[in-house]
Amino acid sequence: DAGVIQSPRHEVTEMGQEVTLRCKPISGHDYLFWYRQTMMRGLELLIYFNNNVPIDDSGMPEDRFSAKMPNASFSTLKIQPSEPRDSAVYFCASSLGGTGLLGYEQYFGPGTRLTVT
Amino acid sequence: AQSVSQHNHHVILSEAASLELGCNYSYGGTVNLFWYVQYPGQHLQLLLKYFSGDPLVKGIKGFEAEFIKSKFSFNLRKPSVQWSDTAEYFCAVNGGYQKVTFGTGTKLQVIP
Repeated sequence: DAGVIQSPRHEVTEMGQEVTLRCKPISGHDYLFWYRQTMMRGLELLIYFNNNVPIDDSGMPEDRFSAKMPNASFSTLKIQPSEPRDSAVYFCASSLGGTGLLGYEQYFGPGTRLTVT
Repeated sequence: AQSVSQHNHHVILSEAASLELGCNYSYGGTVNLFWYVQYPGQHLQLLLKYFSGDPLVKGIKGFEAEFIKSKFSFNLRKPSVQWSDTAEYFCAVNGGYQKVTFGTGTKLQVIP
């Protein structure tokens, strides 16, 4: 398996522009997670899906952020409009099972480094 | 709610020194515990995990962690670090049917 695939790997955009980050989870995984990593705040969970349904979006910073998962093999994280403070590395992860007592491992993608100027 | 604390934010060691990174969690019930590693410029990878059985868990690259339930701890250890262990290490926990919560990470720098 190719692992979790994210695109683009790097994105530089100007403040106010719309940014769309993409993720393809590992085939067969039923959970998908979006994280943001910054020096100041560390690794933050933004939202996660189970079987394409958003379960918990309490980590989404504000209404400018939205995420969708139209099918089991694709998810997007959109920022509109973008701001300089959104600059971070955004990771997507997937797992077979996301909660419960069976020790589910999350597989992370390579991340998208977003710079908003 | 569950939470994870990693008290060491930045650790600097010389090669061959022993390593212990602290991780404490708060959750009253049964938990799964993880250590992930992020090498410079790379994504997070699982180092080891505990979900039942022997509380001493062995992972890849000579790392191990011990689950001490009475102390709510899951410290990561390695007897002799190498320069290639320079990375950021994240402890994570999920209890019951909650989502996984990651700690803030510990940056390890190994000096040759």
